[in-house]
Amino acid sequence: ILNVEQSPQSLHVQEGDSTNFTCSFPSSNFYALHWYRWETAKSPEALFVMTLNGDEKKKGRISATLNTKEGYSYLYIKGSQPEDSATYLCAFSEGNYQLIWGAGTKLIIKP
Amino acid sequence: KAGVTQTPRYLIKTRGQQVTLSCSPISGHRSVSWYQQTPGQGLQFLFEYFSETQRNKGNFPGRFSGRQFSNSRSEMNVSTLELGDSALYLCASSLGGSGFYEQYFGPGTRLTVT
Repeated sequence: ILNVEQSPQSLHVQEGDSTNFTCSFPSSNFYALHWYRWETAKSPEALFVMTLNGDEKKKGRISATLNTKEGYSYLYIKGSQPEDSATYLCAFSEGNYQLIWGAGTKLIIKP
Repeated sequence: KAGVTQTPRYLIKTRGQQVTLSCSPISGHRSVSWYQQTPGQGLQFLFEYFSETQRNKGNFPGRFSGRQFSNSRSEMNVSTLELGDSALYLCASSLGGSGFYEQYFGPGTRLTVT
């Protein structure tokens, strides 16, 4: 059974601080790694789709790196703002038609 | 461009009944995936349809079924409802298979089974 693990489960960060969290996935049969943000009372929103080992993606203050050989991805948030409070989900795929989702990291930004 | 829409948004059903949920994808998107989310659980994959064909199915009993129409709209059906089926059901559409393309999620249908 494929497993995608995210750590930590939750994180409290002071506004203005930078933070990062981890997604671990099987290192074999890699196809793509996705990051999504899920804010309370909204729907999940795609952040990044990463396909190549060594990939680095950036969107504003959020960036992600990918290591397919060792099976992990990091998501970084620089200078956290209250609007960054959300659950961050990663999802791994071996092929075209299924994502295996992690349980998410719940990020709470303290003003 | 209109987003993914789901109907109904809220539903209350009794054990043993059946329910049909509907999802209209973003125009041009040919793939629709369905997920179940219950408190304390992550997104649990139900199935994915592409060009009217089920491409993959998650580990759910046969009571859960779906279909996709030629206009890419999709329906999900749950028969013989159980209390444990109470959940938020999300659909998501993408240009192609969810493994490679980013998904756009609808607002969800909140199903309560009493």
